[in-house]
Amino acid sequence: GAVVSQHPSRVICKSGTSVKIECRSLDFQATTMFWYRQFPKQSLMLMATSNEGSKATYEQGVEKDKFLINHASLTLSTLTVTSAHPEDSSFYICSARTGVAYGYTFGSGTRLTVV
Amino acid sequence: GQQLNQSPQSMFIQEGEDVSMNCTSSSIFNTWLWYKQEPGEGPVLLIALYKAGELTSNGRLTAQFGITRKDSFLNISASIPSDVGIYFCAGQKETSGSRLTFGEGTQLTVNP
Repeated sequence: GAVVSQHPSRVICKSGTSVKIECRSLDFQATTMFWYRQFPKQSLMLMATSNEGSKATYEQGVEKDKFLINHASLTLSTLTVTSAHPEDSSFYICSARTGVAYGYTFGSGTRLTVV
Repeated sequence: GQQLNQSPQSMFIQEGEDVSMNCTSSSIFNTWLWYKQEPGEGPVLLIALYKAGELTSNGRLTAQFGITRKDSFLNISASIPSDVGIYFCAGQKETSGSRLTFGEGTQLTVNP
């Protein structure tokens, strides 16, 4: 079945540095991928929709310059958290449409801790 | 913000009991999805519903797409300890493109 691989699973970075998270569709092509953010004991909040070959669509309140999204191929989308601060610490999850009747497959998530 | 109201927020049950949770919305969705999330992992799809009134089962899980298209429920029968996790409903609207809206989640605890 459709598999989405997300890497890294955990990352700790210093305040002010940038962190890149990768999301790959392993056995299918994904023209659209989604990036979510999840705080402890809360639901998933959509940050942006990543479209292959075009600019991402960001949700209201999400800073485009801080959360850079690149979807340069049909199997890879990346989220870069720039100039990270402790308040950016969170669980980031990507998902991709499998193209089969509204199928959405999720990655295993990335736990980002900014110190 | 969230547009799906999911309840209950948490449940503590004994192994073997049945569980029911639901999601409601003030607006219409044309797809309802139920996911389970375990600690430190991404959500895993349990059941997908595409038509109003549809009732679908996946093992001990049963979910229904409400007739009004504004609600859905998930039942788990004969719960077991590995059912522990957070269950999320998610809906997709015809007018929202491919974006999903998630419910707040139901934290399920099963005592052996």
